[in-house]
Amino acid sequence: DIQMTQSPSSLSASVGDRVSITCRASQSVRTYLNWYQQEPGKAPKLLISVASTLQSGVPSRFSGSGSGTDFTLTISSLQPEDFATYYCQQSDSTPHTFGLGTKLEIK
Amino acid sequence: QITLKESGPTLVKPTQTLTLTCTFSGFSLSTGGVGVGWIRQPPGKALEWLALSFWNDDKRYSPSLKTRLTITKDTSKNQVVLTMTNMDPVDTATYYCARCPSDCSYGYWNWGQGTLVTVSS
Repeated sequence: DIQMTQSPSSLSASVGDRVSITCRASQSVRTYLNWYQQEPGKAPKLLISVASTLQSGVPSRFSGSGSGTDFTLTISSLQPEDFATYYCQQSDSTPHTFGLGTKLEIK
Repeated sequence: QITLKESGPTLVKPTQTLTLTCTFSGFSLSTGGVGVGWIRQPPGKALEWLALSFWNDDKRYSPSLKTRLTITKDTSKNQVVLTMTNMDPVDTATYYCARCPSDCSYGYWNWGQGTLVTVSS
């Protein structure tokens, strides 16, 4: 299995801040890396697929970058609705493993 | 509009077999490249990928759970069924089904609301 390591596991920030979350794969996943946002009690929502493609309707303050083993999700200016948990997932090969998540909290 | 909904028991006893059904609409699992997968999330913990059924009847499983899982599809009913044998309290989780296009290379685009399954005697 490909292991996905996210950091940090939690992050405290303020509205308007720029934040970045990193995800590292235990082997190359090329660009088959996806980012999800999950609010408490809700299903995950796909934000970014294949490392940098923003899903329809996702605000442009979200961006993704990287290839191979190292990836980054950046939120350019945090909004109140962005405080949630974020997961990376590789879809290069099954099992489509997830990272352990990054909980983004309000400072 | 694409929707998915999970159904099944909310409570199972240890050693029992769990059967969950994902009923979907707005797409067909006979369309090339489409898959429906199962992902679970124990309370307060991370997402765990379980299994995937592709449009061409290719099936994939989590290696750590492979001996306990079976995924089947019924294209005519727009359903995907997951069975998990020998349930244990550690299997207590919210179970989600999700649709992935393009041979699932681009992630899981549509998710059900999830169903919480508790394993307890």
